[in-house]
Amino acid sequence: TQLLEQSPQFLSIQEGENLTVYCNSSSVFSSLQWYRQEPGEGPVLLVTVVTGGEVKKLKRLTFQFGDARKDSSLHITAAQPGDTGLYLCAGVGGGYQKVTFGTGTKLQVIP
Amino acid sequence: ETGVTQSPTHLIKTRGQQVTLRCSSQSGHNTVSWYQQALGQGPQFIFQYYREEENGRGNFPPRFSGLQFPNYSSELNVNALELDDSALYLCASSYRQGPSEKLFFGSGTQLSVL
Repeated sequence: TQLLEQSPQFLSIQEGENLTVYCNSSSVFSSLQWYRQEPGEGPVLLVTVVTGGEVKKLKRLTFQFGDARKDSSLHITAAQPGDTGLYLCAGVGGGYQKVTFGTGTKLQVIP
Repeated sequence: ETGVTQSPTHLIKTRGQQVTLRCSSQSGHNTVSWYQQALGQGPQFIFQYYREEENGRGNFPPRFSGLQFPNYSSELNVNALELDDSALYLCASSYRQGPSEKLFFGSGTQLSVL
């Protein structure tokens, strides 16, 4: 069974602060994805990282895939209230490219 | 807007009943995956359908079953409902593309079992 553990589980910060969310697994994945989910909605894909060591930036969000393709991190610079939501990492792998989700990190950015 | 629609949006059932949830996938997508999500947690993979065949299954009992139709829409059926089946059920459609697989989710069906 492929398990992805995220930390922290909950995060409440003030607007303008920086934060990092971690996603760790003992399994190797073909790629790693990050999603954000808002209440009453399904998750929305933010980014896919494919190569070990890859770094991708999306405005104030920076995503990194570990060299061994087992872990990833999401760093948000100068968080804004609009960043509030449930952040989910997801590993893609297996014979049918199954997408396995992490345990989730609930972020609250206070104005 | 992902183009993936799920119905109904909310549903209340009693223990032992059966339920059918429906999903219309995004145009051009041939794969549908179903997930169960408890409040504040990550979605758990139930199963995936690719071109009308079940293509993979998570750790869910046989009373969870599904179908995919020629137009690639899909149904999730749950028999003999249990209290622990209360959750948000998410459908995601995709076009099979290997490691870059991108899932497009619907807004989900919130199922409450009393």
